[in-house]
Amino acid sequence: DAGVIQSPRHEVTEMGQEVTLRCKPISGHDYLFWYRQTMMRGLELLIYFNNNVPIDDSGMPEDRFSAKMPNASFSTLKIQPSEPRDSAVYFCASSPWSGNEQYFGPGTRLTVT
Amino acid sequence: DQQVKQNSPSLSVQEGRISILNCDYTNSMFDYFLWYKKYPAEGPTFLISISSIKDKNEDGRFTVFLNKSAKHLSLHIVPSQPGDSAVYFCAASLLEDDMRFGAGTRLTVKP
Repeated sequence: DAGVIQSPRHEVTEMGQEVTLRCKPISGHDYLFWYRQTMMRGLELLIYFNNNVPIDDSGMPEDRFSAKMPNASFSTLKIQPSEPRDSAVYFCASSPWSGNEQYFGPGTRLTVT
Repeated sequence: DQQVKQNSPSLSVQEGRISILNCDYTNSMFDYFLWYKKYPAEGPTFLISISSIKDKNEDGRFTVFLNKSAKHLSLHIVPSQPGDSAVYFCAASLLEDDMRFGAGTRLTVKP
């Protein structure tokens, strides 16, 4: 298995633009998580899905952020409109069941200028 | 609301000595604890875990200790090696619930 795949690896965009981050979880994993990492706050859980259904999105910073999981092999995290304070590394992780170790993708480094 | 805290942002130790990374949590209902290791430009990788029914779990040079009464978790690395230099995240979870991470501790092992 190739592990969790994220794209793009790097994204530079201007303030106000829409940004879409993509994730392909490990096949057979029922849980998918989106995290944001910053120097100040470390890893923050944004949202997680179980069997493609969003379970907890309380970590999503504001309405500008949205996440979807249309099928078991694909998820997106969208920011519209983007702001400079959204600059961070965004990780996607998958897990066969909640509470178990999670397998992280390489992350997407987002820079909003 | 930070339910998992790593109060030391950084730690430096000499090669061959013991590294002790600490983690505190506030929710007594957490029943599973994990440590992740992260190198620059890579995603975190799972290192070691412990269930709340245990107080110690060992895997080679890595040992995790759990003190439920103090709501405290620690990771011991002995002997420390330069390749252990990374950011270490503590995480805690409830069965059927999401995982909460600490802010991380950057470990530097000096040759």
